[in-house]
Amino acid sequence: NAGVTQTPKFRILKIGQSMTLQCAQDMNHNYMYWYRQDPGMGLKLIYYSVGAGITDKGEVPNGYNVSRSTTEDFPLRLELAAPSQTSVYFCASRGRGQGLNNEQFFGPGTRLTVL
Amino acid sequence: GQQLNQSPQSMFIQEGEDVSMNCTSSSIFNTWLWYKQDPGEGPVLLIALYKAGELTSNGRLTAQFGITRKDSFLNISASIPSDVGIYFCAGLNTGTASKLTFGTGTRLQVTL
Repeated sequence: NAGVTQTPKFRILKIGQSMTLQCAQDMNHNYMYWYRQDPGMGLKLIYYSVGAGITDKGEVPNGYNVSRSTTEDFPLRLELAAPSQTSVYFCASRGRGQGLNNEQFFGPGTRLTVL
Repeated sequence: GQQLNQSPQSMFIQEGEDVSMNCTSSSIFNTWLWYKQDPGEGPVLLIALYKAGELTSNGRLTAQFGITRKDSFLNISASIPSDVGIYFCAGLNTGTASKLTFGTGTRLQVTL
């Protein structure tokens, strides 16, 4: 299993540009999440999904959109990039039940800079 | 939004020493998780705790779920250089789509 994969690893955007951060998991997990991590801080939840076709807002959703058309993929869309969206973005997925194999697994992250 | 408070914020220790860190919350969680993050990487799950008072080990790591359900502790015994990184606690409540609330992190640096 590749686990959780994210692309791209790095990106620089100009203010007002748009982009999609890709996230995929091959563990057949129902739950998927997007977080952002600002320098020296913990992770904050942007959006999450409990299954294909179902998404909901997290703590900091403004300026972002998501979709979940398949179990495997959970892309995050920035429509009008702003400097405040400069951050590292992590995608995670989770299976059902308890145990180390079911809790949230994280991808390697996408480092985004908006200038 | 809530974030869990972790202490200490950072620590320098010598190789071979034991390390303790804790995490506190103003609200109750029914699951506590501990993650480690290396530079440029995503967090990696170390330990999961599901029951108040539970003590769980994973190699040199031991974590406890506080009896009040508002705190958790992580201990690392006989630290080694590869223990360097940022340790995050996270709390969750079942029935909330397993959304995690993360702590502010403890940065650990180990000197030889």
